[in-house]
Amino acid sequence: KAGVTQTPRYLIKTRGQQVTLSCSPISGHRSVSWYQQTPGQGLQFLFEYFSETQRNKGNFPGRFSGRQFSNSRSEMNVSTLELGDSALYLCASREQGANTEAFFGQGTRLTVV
Amino acid sequence: TQLLEQSPQFLSIQEGENLTVYCNSSSVFSSLQWYRQEPGEGPVLLVTVVTGGEVKKLKRLTFQFGDARKDSSLHITAAQPGDTGLYLCAGARNYGQNFVFGPGTRLSVLP
Repeated sequence: KAGVTQTPRYLIKTRGQQVTLSCSPISGHRSVSWYQQTPGQGLQFLFEYFSETQRNKGNFPGRFSGRQFSNSRSEMNVSTLELGDSALYLCASREQGANTEAFFGQGTRLTVV
Repeated sequence: TQLLEQSPQFLSIQEGENLTVYCNSSSVFSSLQWYRQEPGEGPVLLVTVVTGGEVKKLKRLTFQFGDARKDSSLHITAAQPGDTGLYLCAGARNYGQNFVFGPGTRLSVLP
């Protein structure tokens, strides 16, 4: 089975722009979670999608949004980028529930200048 | 304030040494996981513990879940350079809730 694929791997954007990141989960996995990882804050949960519905949400502003398609692929969007949004964005795929094993992608490194 | 604290934050040791890293919280968790993350990669699950007092072994790694399910430790015997990475613990307070991650312990094993 192919692993979790995140695209792009690296991205540089300017403040005020918006960005869309993509995650293709492992085949058969219906749950996709997104995390932001920074040196100062560590790994923080953004949101989880299951069967095209947002099931859990972390404490991030409304500029961060996501969606999941019928094939379980997920996208997350960040609008009006700020310098502090620079981070590694990780996607994790699970078969079903939140307590099952999470398989992470390699992440998208976003730099906001 | 982090829900999960990990210590030490950084650890640099020589190959062959033993080490223990800790994950602590004031909250009770229904389950706790340990991950290892290498540079340029996403975290990889090492173990899940669910029962207070549980001990699990994975080759040279020994994981323990505290009796009160508020803390956990990871002990590595005879560390090797391949053990280098960021060790993250993650806890779920209730079944079905997403795991919350600690800040991690960055381990460097020198040859």
